[in-house]
Amino acid sequence: EDQVTQSPEALRLQEGESSSLNCSYTVSGLRGLFWYRQDPGKGPEFLFTLYSAGEEKEKERLKATLTKKESFLHITAPKPEDSATYLCAVQGGAQKLVFGQGTRLTINP
Amino acid sequence: SQTIHQWPATLVQPVGSPLSLECTVEGTSNPNLYWYRQAAGRGLQLLFYSVGIGQISSEVPQNLSASRPQDRQFILSSKKLLLSDSGFYLCAWSNRMNTEAFFGQGTRLTVV
Repeated sequence: EDQVTQSPEALRLQEGESSSLNCSYTVSGLRGLFWYRQDPGKGPEFLFTLYSAGEEKEKERLKATLTKKESFLHITAPKPEDSATYLCAVQGGAQKLVFGQGTRLTINP
Repeated sequence: SQTIHQWPATLVQPVGSPLSLECTVEGTSNPNLYWYRQAAGRGLQLLFYSVGIGQISSEVPQNLSASRPQDRQFILSSKKLLLSDSGFYLCAWSNRMNTEAFFGQGTRLTVV
């Protein structure tokens, strides 16, 4: 059974304080690992898809990396507008998207 | 470009009433389609997914059903709503190459 575990559940940082969010996964035949940002009351916003171990993708202050067992979302010098819940999902051979519980990130000015 | 439409944005329904939520995708063909439910402050629970017309996989036994009458239309239904059906319902699609997966803006359902 495909599973995704995200840690920590919540993270509070000061503006400019870099950190990383973790996504551990087990999946049968990884087709893709997805990262999303979700603001309260809104649908998740697509950020990245990673396909194979060693792959990295960047967007503004965010960088996602992938190993065979986990993915990290690195946030460099975050700003208050980066505050959101960050969701990780995997898609395996059955083509269903399975999500973790998310990490609620708060950036204090 | 591809877009996904989900409506209504909010819905208040009495216990025992029927439900129909609709999701349509534009700008792509033969997408994978998904219905999720999200409880307050929690992650996304996969309810149903579909890889083609008439092909529905159910993940969680419950009071809900899904149908895909057309390639880019996905419908979530219930014959009789329960209080426990309240939540934030999200529709999503992904392309066959699995390069991207996008969500609608969600429907906030309150069963009273």
